[in-house]
Order: sequence, then structure tokens, then C-alpha cells
Amino acid sequence: DAKTTQPNSMESNEEEPVHLPCNHSTISGTDYIHWYRQLPSQGPEYVIHGLTSNVNNRMASLAIAEDRKSSTLILHRATLRDAAVYYCIRLFMDSNYQLIWGAGTKLIIKP
Amino acid sequence: DAGVIQSPRHEVTEMGQEVTLRCKPISGHNSLFWYRQTMMRGLELLIYFNNNVPIDDSGMPEDRFSAKMPNASFSTLKIQPSEPRDSAVYFCASSFRSSGGETQYFGPGTRLLVL
Repeated sequence: DAKTTQPNSMESNEEEPVHLPCNHSTISGTDYIHWYRQLPSQGPEYVIHGLTSNVNNRMASLAIAEDRKSSTLILHRATLRDAAVYYCIRLFMDSNYQLIWGAGTKLIIKP
Repeated sequence: DAGVIQSPRHEVTEMGQEVTLRCKPISGHNSLFWYRQTMMRGLELLIYFNNNVPIDDSGMPEDRFSAKMPNASFSTLKIQPSEPRDSAVYFCASSFRSSGGETQYFGPGTRLLVL
């Protein structure tokens, strides 16, 4: 299956780190892993992406397993504004370049 | 940059009417995507264009849906005739496609309600 596997929902306390897991066991060597998030009543927004190495940016960190069959999005210090649905997506580096969207993980932040 | 612009933001119409959704991508982007989102089906890719050319329209539900991109700064998604099951949020996204992957930038969406 082209889609990734994520938990339906997760809860975390405000100002604590959050680790959002994703399984992509059928990933091929040239597929990128992208993470997007969708805040309530907004369009999805890009968070981070990677191929093999761990990646960091101002929003989050992405840890990719050595066999690339799974990855983890890390929010170092979650705030209430991080409450959203987080999508882990494979980017197929073929001629279609499609993002195959799953159901995502609904992240609930408790104050 | 203003980001991806979509209009209208909200549309209420009656079954059988024609609906036209509009999108202005980010300047300099060479790919444009139309998505539909519902609670039941989640986010679905309807069609995407690269350099104004439709590349994959396999997600278009049926012949009632059509999309055009006459130039690099404008695209439309048309539904004719509209049906209640077309009620959804329609997103337009744009990106700059390169060999190293891409980031899609989404517009705010058009909330369509067909009565």
C-alpha cells in the first residue's frame, strides 16, 4: 500500500516534547518522506521532509530509521498552537510525483 | 508573497448549478494541484498540472468535473452540474518541482455546499 501508517490520535501536555510516529514499510530508495500539518479550518502546511538523514528546521525535527521503514516527527516543545492533524506522506519520485495522503494523526495538546 | 489565493472562500449553490472555483498559484511555481477534502474520504488529489499541462487527472470524480490552467498564474476547477455529494472543501496548492523533492503550498480552500 502506498499510504503510510500513523496513529489516529495522540495527546501531549503543553511545553513537552511530542514524538509522532509513522510507518512506511514499503518505501523505495528514492521516495522522500514529507510531513504536513493541518490546523483547524486551514489548508495543510508543510512541516519538514527528508530522504535518509535526520533533518531539523525551525518547526520540528525528523528522525528517519536506518532502514527507512519508519520515521518520527519531533516537536521539541509543543504549544497549544501545535494542535493539528499531522500527515506523514511518501513522495513518489516517479513521473507522477504524487503525495499520497493518509488519515494523519490528530494531535491534542493539553494545557 | 501573498501565497496561494483561492476564490470564492465560500460557495452555496443549488443542485444542478455550475460552480467555478478559482486559484492563483504562487508566482514562480510550476506545479499546481487541486484537492478535495471531506470527513469521509479525507484529502484527495483531483488533478495536477506541471508547466500548465495536466499531468494526472485520475482523481477527477467524473465528467462533471473539469479543470483548466490557461496560464501560469491562474487555474479553474469547474463542476457542472453540481450535486449535493460534491459538498466539500476544495484546496488548491502550488509548488516548484525539482529533482530534490518539493514543498506544496496550500491556499485557504473553498468551502462548497450544494443544496
